[in-house]
Amino acid sequence: DIQMTQFPSTLSASVGDRVSITCRASQSISRLLAWYQQKPGKGPKLLIYKASTLESGVPSRFSGSGSGTEFTLTISSLQPDDFATYYCQQYDGSWTFGQGTKVEIK
Amino acid sequence: EVQLVESGGGLVQPGGSLRLSCKGSGFTFSAYSMNWVRQAPGKGLEWVSYISSSGRTIYYADSVKGRVTISKDNAESTLYLQLNSLRADDTAVYYCGRGFGELLFSDNWGQGTLVTVSS
Repeated sequence: DIQMTQFPSTLSASVGDRVSITCRASQSISRLLAWYQQKPGKGPKLLIYKASTLESGVPSRFSGSGSGTEFTLTISSLQPDDFATYYCQQYDGSWTFGQGTKVEIK
Repeated sequence: EVQLVESGGGLVQPGGSLRLSCKGSGFTFSAYSMNWVRQAPGKGLEWVSYISSSGRTIYYADSVKGRVTISKDNAESTLYLQLNSLRADDTAVYYCGRGFGELLFSDNWGQGTLVTVSS
């Protein structure tokens, strides 16, 4: 099974900061990676798929990069609505989520 | 607007059964694969099961294989998850997700339904 290691588990930042979250796969998954945002009491929201393709309606301050085993989600300028938990998910023949990164207010 | 509404959760004793439902609207339900994902209290997301648009291809996570059955009624635009032999570690919020075509990720999710397994 493909394992996903996501870090950091918690990230403290201020509005306007540039933040990055990393996800590492236990084997190559090409670019078959999605990123989700989740807020308390809500289902996940798709942000990015195919490692770097922005889902329709998602602000351009979100971007994704990487291929193979290492991937990054970057928020270029953190906004108040962005404080949430973020998950990566590989979809190369199966599903595995990363452990999640909680982005909290510094 | 795509909407997914889960129902059927509740309190059940260990060893019991529940059937979860997910009603889809705002899209052609028969054209999409569907998924169930769960989240134990205070924990991360765990994929549970996948069904293709036609219902002919089905996958289960090892943690639920043999105890769970996914099905899809395209005429009623409803996805189901039959949970049997429930254990305490099945306690979670269960979310249904619309597949991105037949790919193994989801572009829309419901608000979830809570399953609590306790005596």
